[in-house]
Amino acid sequence: AQSVTQLGSHVSVSEGALVLLRCNYSSSVPPYLFWYVQYPNQGLQLLLKYTSAATLVKGINGFEAEFKKSETSFHLTKPSAHMSDAAEYFCAVSDDGGFKTIFGAGTRLFVKA
Amino acid sequence: DADVTQTPRNRITKTGKRIMLECSQTKGHDRMYWYRQDPGLGLRLIYYSFDVKDINKGEISDGYSVSRQAQAKFSLSLESAIPNQTALYFCATRSGGLNTEAFFGQGTRLTVV
Repeated sequence: AQSVTQLGSHVSVSEGALVLLRCNYSSSVPPYLFWYVQYPNQGLQLLLKYTSAATLVKGINGFEAEFKKSETSFHLTKPSAHMSDAAEYFCAVSDDGGFKTIFGAGTRLFVKA
Repeated sequence: DADVTQTPRNRITKTGKRIMLECSQTKGHDRMYWYRQDPGLGLRLIYYSFDVKDINKGEISDGYSVSRQAQAKFSLSLESAIPNQTALYFCATRSGGLNTEAFFGQGTRLTVV
C-alpha cells in the first residue's frame, strides 16, 4: 500500500533562507506524488505534482520538488523563503487505483523576519 | 464563487446531538471525499463517493455517515456527536485518474462540547 512520511512536524527558517521540507514515500508501483499547501483558515491547494514526465517538478510560488527513486524521496524546496510562505505543507500520494489521495502528517513552516 | 463550498464554516454542538455538514462543488467531478484534519495526524479519509450510487468507507468511518444527494452534493453526518469528533473537516473533489489533483473546500471547524 502507498504511504508518505514527512520528516519534521515543524520547520523554522529565516526570511531569504533555503526552505527544505522532506517527504519519503512507500509504494510498490511507480508513485504519483503531490505537495499541497494550507494557509491559515483555508483549505488545501495544490503546489505541484509528479507525473513521471520529469524528475524535477516546478510548482507555484517558486517551489520545486525532485523525485529521487533511489532514495524514495520527493522533497520540497524553495531557494529563498518569504514571510508569505508560512503555512502547513502536505505531501501526498495516490493509492494503487487512483481512487484516493493519501496524505502525510504535514509540516508547518515558520518564517522569521 | 468557490469551486467547493462547505457549510457551516464553524459549529459548536453538544455531545449526543446530530449534526450535518454540507458540501457542494461546481467542478463537475464525479469523485467526492470527506476528510478530517487533526494536529499531527494530517488528513484522514472518512468517506468517499464516485457517484450517487457509490459510497465507500475510508479509514475512520465509525461514528459518521454520508449522503450523496447529487453529483455536486455530498453531506457528512454525525449521528450522535462526541467530543473526540472535535476537528477540522474538509470536503474535496477530483476527477478520475492517478495524477489528478484534489480541490478542497475551506473546511468546517466542529467543536463538540
